[in-house]
Amino acid sequence: DGGITQSPKYLFRKEGQNVTLSCEQNLNHDAMYWYRQDPGQGLRLIYYSQIVNDFQKGDIAEGYSVSREKKESFPLTVTSAQKNPTAFYLCASTGGDGEKLFFGSGTQLSVL
Amino acid sequence: GESVGLHLPTLSVQEGDNSIINCAYSNSASDYFIWYKQESGKGPQFIIDIRSNMDKRQGQRVTVLLNKTVKHLSLQIAATQPGDSAVYFCAENNAGGTSYGKLTFGQGTILTVHP
Repeated sequence: DGGITQSPKYLFRKEGQNVTLSCEQNLNHDAMYWYRQDPGQGLRLIYYSQIVNDFQKGDIAEGYSVSREKKESFPLTVTSAQKNPTAFYLCASTGGDGEKLFFGSGTQLSVL
Repeated sequence: GESVGLHLPTLSVQEGDNSIINCAYSNSASDYFIWYKQESGKGPQFIIDIRSNMDKRQGQRVTVLLNKTVKHLSLQIAATQPGDSAVYFCAENNAGGTSYGKLTFGQGTILTVHP
């Protein structure tokens, strides 16, 4: 099955710790995105990458970092600089027709 | 403040009724609009999209209407079913065709369908 796989489903972070959220896609999509969703709110763009080895900041990039070493993978690191990391994190991609953003199933990050 | 986002608009309908979910978008330069459906604990699911050179677009049981004059978007769901119960988000893109995935999302509307 083609799709976007995010792991883990649930993640807990201790204070001062960096954690990395995984996102893998087998859709052969060029562009990948990370969004953050807080309870009862819409999604906000953290980072995006339109091509391997290149990425740009979104609206709320502070406290986050990404890499895009492979077309299939776009991991997101939530650093200790992110003081309010508790949220639902969604990875997405666009390809073929350039439109229609497809989402993964999300990772819920909580702080211990 | 902390209360922002906790009071989502809600729409409650009976099974079989038609539902209309509304959205006001912010950027007059936006040229691409999308509706997503999100069930609890899952990622958003694409429903239908529309470009700014259109006023209306129909899909299976869904219709999107775009009024650029007042920057308003609506999603109509015909013969609403209990499985349609979810949070519905509108989203806009103003990247001019350079990055369709850079979306600005609305707050969302909770749709509840009663059997």
